[in-house]
Amino acid sequence: AQSVSQHNHHVILSEAASLELGCNYSYGGTVNLFWYVQYPGQHLQLLLKYFSGDPLVKGIKGFEAEFIKSKFSFNLRKPSVQWSDTAEYFCAVTPGFQKLVFGTGTRLLVSP
Amino acid sequence: ETGVTQTPRHLVMGMTNKKSLKCEQHLGHNAMYWYKQSAKKPLELMFVYNFKEQTENNSVPSRFSPECPNSSHLFLHLHTLQPEDSALYLCASSIGQEGMNTEAFFGQGTRLTVV
Repeated sequence: AQSVSQHNHHVILSEAASLELGCNYSYGGTVNLFWYVQYPGQHLQLLLKYFSGDPLVKGIKGFEAEFIKSKFSFNLRKPSVQWSDTAEYFCAVTPGFQKLVFGTGTRLLVSP
Repeated sequence: ETGVTQTPRHLVMGMTNKKSLKCEQHLGHNAMYWYKQSAKKPLELMFVYNFKEQTENNSVPSRFSPECPNSSHLFLHLHTLQPEDSALYLCASSIGQEGMNTEAFFGQGTRLTVV
Protein backbone atom coordinates (compact mmCIF):
# COMPACT_ATOMS: atom_id res chain seq x y z
CA ALA A 1 0.00 0.00 0.00
CA GLN A 2 1.10 3.55 -0.65
CA SER A 3 2.43 5.11 2.53
CA VAL A 4 4.88 7.32 4.36
CA SER A 5 7.35 5.57 6.67
CA GLN A 6 9.29 7.03 9.55
CA HIS A 7 11.68 4.44 10.86
CA ASN A 8 12.60 6.02 14.18
CA HIS A 9 9.69 6.14 16.61
CA HIS A 10 11.66 7.45 19.57
CA VAL A 11 15.00 9.24 19.54
CA ILE A 12 16.91 10.42 22.60
CA LEU A 13 19.84 12.80 22.17
CA SER A 14 21.99 15.02 24.28
CA GLU A 15 22.19 18.71 23.52
CA ALA A 16 24.62 19.56 20.72
CA ALA A 17 24.31 16.11 19.18
CA SER A 18 23.47 15.84 15.49
CA LEU A 19 20.05 14.68 14.38
CA GLU A 20 18.84 12.76 11.37
CA LEU A 21 15.29 11.45 11.11
CA GLY A 22 14.44 9.14 8.27
CA CYS A 23 11.39 9.43 6.02
CA ASN A 24 10.53 7.28 3.02
CA TYR A 25 7.43 7.34 0.87
CA SER A 26 6.03 4.96 -1.67
CA TYR A 27 4.11 7.25 -4.02
CA GLY A 28 5.20 7.52 -7.63
CA GLY A 29 5.09 10.63 -9.75
CA THR A 30 5.34 14.19 -8.54
CA VAL A 31 4.99 14.70 -4.81
CA ASN A 32 5.29 17.57 -2.41
CA LEU A 33 7.11 16.81 0.82
CA PHE A 34 6.86 18.31 4.29
CA TRP A 35 8.15 18.02 7.80
CA TYR A 36 5.85 19.18 10.56
CA VAL A 37 6.69 19.55 14.23
CA GLN A 38 4.38 19.34 17.23
CA TYR A 39 5.75 20.78 20.45
CA PRO A 40 4.13 19.54 23.67
CA GLY A 41 0.65 20.97 23.97
CA GLN A 42 0.86 22.90 20.72
CA HIS A 43 -0.53 22.56 17.21
CA LEU A 44 1.25 21.07 14.25
CA GLN A 45 3.62 23.57 12.66
CA LEU A 46 5.40 23.46 9.34
CA LEU A 47 9.15 23.00 9.70
CA LEU A 48 10.05 22.92 6.01
CA LYS A 49 8.72 21.90 2.63
CA TYR A 50 9.89 20.77 -0.78
CA PHE A 51 7.97 21.46 -3.97
CA SER A 52 10.67 21.65 -6.64
CA GLY A 53 14.17 22.96 -7.31
CA ASP A 54 17.10 22.50 -4.96
CA PRO A 55 16.62 19.13 -3.23
CA LEU A 56 18.33 20.45 -0.09
CA VAL A 57 15.72 22.47 1.73
CA LYS A 58 16.37 24.82 4.62
CA GLY A 59 13.69 25.26 7.25
CA ILE A 60 13.15 27.11 10.46
CA LYS A 61 15.23 26.71 13.61
CA GLY A 62 18.27 25.35 11.77
CA PHE A 63 16.55 22.29 10.33
CA GLU A 64 17.13 21.06 6.79
CA ALA A 65 15.99 18.13 4.71
CA GLU A 66 17.25 16.48 1.57
CA PHE A 67 15.00 15.06 -1.12
CA ILE A 68 16.58 12.05 -2.81
CA LYS A 69 14.20 11.05 -5.56
CA SER A 70 15.94 7.78 -6.38
CA LYS A 71 15.57 6.65 -2.78
CA PHE A 72 12.07 8.07 -2.26
CA SER A 73 13.47 9.71 0.84
CA PHE A 74 13.19 13.07 2.57
CA ASN A 75 15.34 12.88 5.70
CA LEU A 76 15.37 15.65 8.28
CA ARG A 77 18.65 16.88 9.75
CA LYS A 78 19.97 19.33 12.28
CA PRO A 79 23.69 19.62 13.07
CA SER A 80 23.28 20.48 16.74
CA VAL A 81 20.04 19.95 18.65
CA GLN A 82 18.82 21.98 21.60
CA TRP A 83 16.62 21.06 24.54
CA SER A 84 13.88 23.16 22.96
CA ASP A 85 13.80 20.80 19.97
CA THR A 86 12.07 18.20 22.14
CA ALA A 87 8.90 17.50 20.17
CA GLU A 88 7.22 15.07 17.81
CA TYR A 89 8.24 15.28 14.17
CA PHE A 90 6.02 14.21 11.30
CA CYS A 91 6.96 13.63 7.70
CA ALA A 92 4.14 14.21 5.21
CA VAL A 93 3.58 13.82 1.50
CA THR A 94 1.00 15.17 -0.90
CA PRO A 95 0.68 12.68 -3.74
CA GLY A 96 -2.11 14.88 -5.07
CA PHE A 97 -2.80 18.53 -4.48
CA GLN A 98 -5.42 17.91 -1.81
CA LYS A 99 -4.36 14.93 0.19
CA LEU A 100 -1.67 15.27 2.87
CA VAL A 101 -0.53 11.85 4.11
CA PHE A 102 1.50 11.60 7.31
CA GLY A 103 4.02 9.19 8.72
CA THR A 104 3.65 7.78 12.23
CA GLY A 105 5.84 10.46 13.76
CA THR A 106 9.10 10.45 15.71
CA ARG A 107 9.28 11.57 19.30
CA LEU A 108 12.54 13.39 19.96
CA LEU A 109 13.75 13.92 23.49
CA VAL A 110 16.76 16.16 23.94
CA SER A 111 18.38 16.00 27.34
CA PRO A 112 20.17 19.08 28.65
CA GLU B 1 -2.03 31.31 15.94
CA THR B 2 -2.34 29.54 12.60
CA GLY B 3 -5.54 31.10 11.30
CA VAL B 4 -7.39 27.82 11.90
CA THR B 5 -9.53 27.76 15.03
CA GLN B 6 -11.15 24.68 16.51
CA THR B 7 -13.78 24.50 19.21
CA PRO B 8 -14.15 23.08 21.71
CA ARG B 9 -10.59 22.31 22.77
CA HIS B 10 -11.72 19.45 24.99
CA LEU B 11 -14.87 17.35 24.87
CA VAL B 12 -16.07 14.46 27.00
CA MET B 13 -19.15 12.68 25.75
CA GLY B 14 -21.11 9.56 26.48
CA MET B 15 -21.68 6.90 23.87
CA THR B 16 -25.29 7.93 23.40
CA ASN B 17 -24.61 11.65 23.08
CA LYS B 18 -24.64 13.81 19.97
CA LYS B 19 -22.06 16.56 19.72
CA SER B 20 -20.34 18.62 17.03
CA LEU B 21 -16.81 19.82 16.50
CA LYS B 22 -16.30 23.14 14.78
CA CYS B 23 -13.46 24.45 12.66
CA GLU B 24 -13.07 27.91 11.17
CA GLN B 25 -10.30 29.25 8.98
CA HIS B 26 -9.52 32.87 8.14
CA LEU B 27 -6.92 32.20 5.48
CA GLY B 28 -9.05 32.33 2.36
CA HIS B 29 -8.36 28.66 1.68
CA ASN B 30 -10.60 26.44 -0.40
CA ALA B 31 -9.76 23.04 1.04
CA MET B 32 -10.48 21.83 4.55
CA TYR B 33 -9.66 18.55 6.23
CA TRP B 34 -10.44 16.45 9.27
CA TYR B 35 -7.65 14.30 10.69
CA LYS B 36 -7.69 11.89 13.63
CA GLN B 37 -4.59 11.64 15.80
CA SER B 38 -4.45 8.58 18.04
CA ALA B 39 -1.57 7.38 20.14
CA LYS B 40 0.97 5.26 18.26
CA LYS B 41 -0.83 5.65 14.92
CA PRO B 42 -0.17 7.89 11.93
CA LEU B 43 -2.33 10.93 11.54
CA GLU B 44 -5.38 9.55 9.75
CA LEU B 45 -7.03 11.61 7.07
CA MET B 46 -10.80 11.36 7.56
CA PHE B 47 -12.47 13.81 5.19
CA VAL B 48 -11.48 16.35 2.58
CA TYR B 49 -13.63 19.20 1.33
CA ASN B 50 -12.67 21.37 -1.61
CA PHE B 51 -14.83 24.36 -2.53
CA LYS B 52 -17.46 23.00 -0.10
CA GLU B 53 -17.67 19.66 -1.88
CA GLN B 54 -16.58 16.47 -0.17
CA THR B 55 -13.78 14.99 -2.26
CA GLU B 56 -12.59 12.27 0.07
CA ASN B 57 -14.11 10.04 2.70
CA ASN B 58 -11.40 7.74 3.94
CA SER B 59 -13.68 4.84 4.94
CA VAL B 60 -14.83 6.67 8.03
CA PRO B 61 -17.72 5.11 10.02
CA SER B 62 -21.07 6.81 9.59
CA ARG B 63 -21.14 7.83 13.26
CA PHE B 64 -18.86 10.66 12.04
CA SER B 65 -20.72 13.05 9.78
CA PRO B 66 -18.93 16.07 8.26
CA GLU B 67 -20.55 19.27 7.11
CA CYS B 68 -19.01 22.13 5.16
CA PRO B 69 -21.50 24.98 4.74
CA ASN B 70 -18.90 27.29 3.20
CA SER B 71 -15.18 27.36 2.51
CA SER B 72 -14.42 28.89 5.90
CA HIS B 73 -16.30 26.51 8.16
CA LEU B 74 -16.14 22.79 8.73
CA PHE B 75 -18.05 20.70 11.23
CA LEU B 76 -17.78 17.14 12.41
CA HIS B 77 -21.03 15.81 13.84
CA LEU B 78 -20.63 12.95 16.27
CA HIS B 79 -23.22 10.43 17.41
CA THR B 80 -23.18 7.06 19.14
CA LEU B 81 -19.39 7.03 19.34
CA GLN B 82 -17.30 4.26 20.83
CA PRO B 83 -14.51 4.55 23.42
CA GLU B 84 -11.95 3.76 20.70
CA ASP B 85 -12.98 6.98 18.97
CA SER B 86 -11.28 8.91 21.75
CA ALA B 87 -8.48 10.87 20.09
CA LEU B 88 -7.29 14.30 19.07
CA TYR B 89 -9.28 15.55 16.08
CA LEU B 90 -7.42 18.02 13.94
CA CYS B 91 -8.77 20.39 11.36
CA ALA B 92 -6.57 21.77 8.61
CA SER B 93 -6.90 23.95 5.56
CA SER B 94 -4.92 24.60 2.40
CA ILE B 95 -5.29 26.59 -0.81
CA GLY B 96 -6.66 23.47 -2.47
CA GLN B 97 -5.87 24.23 -6.08
CA GLU B 98 -3.75 22.05 -8.29
CA GLY B 99 -0.33 23.48 -8.96
CA MET B 100 -0.51 25.73 -5.94
CA ASN B 101 1.14 25.51 -2.55
CA THR B 102 -0.22 22.40 -0.85
CA GLU B 103 0.96 23.36 2.62
CA ALA B 104 -1.69 22.67 5.24
CA PHE B 105 -2.32 24.82 8.27
CA PHE B 106 -3.59 23.07 11.37
CA GLY B 107 -5.80 24.04 14.25
CA GLN B 108 -4.93 23.10 17.81
CA GLY B 109 -7.33 20.20 17.78
CA THR B 110 -10.20 18.96 19.90
CA ARG B 111 -9.27 16.35 22.48
CA LEU B 112 -12.26 14.00 22.50
CA THR B 113 -12.89 11.45 25.23
CA VAL B 114 -15.75 9.00 24.82
CA VAL B 115 -16.93 7.45 28.07
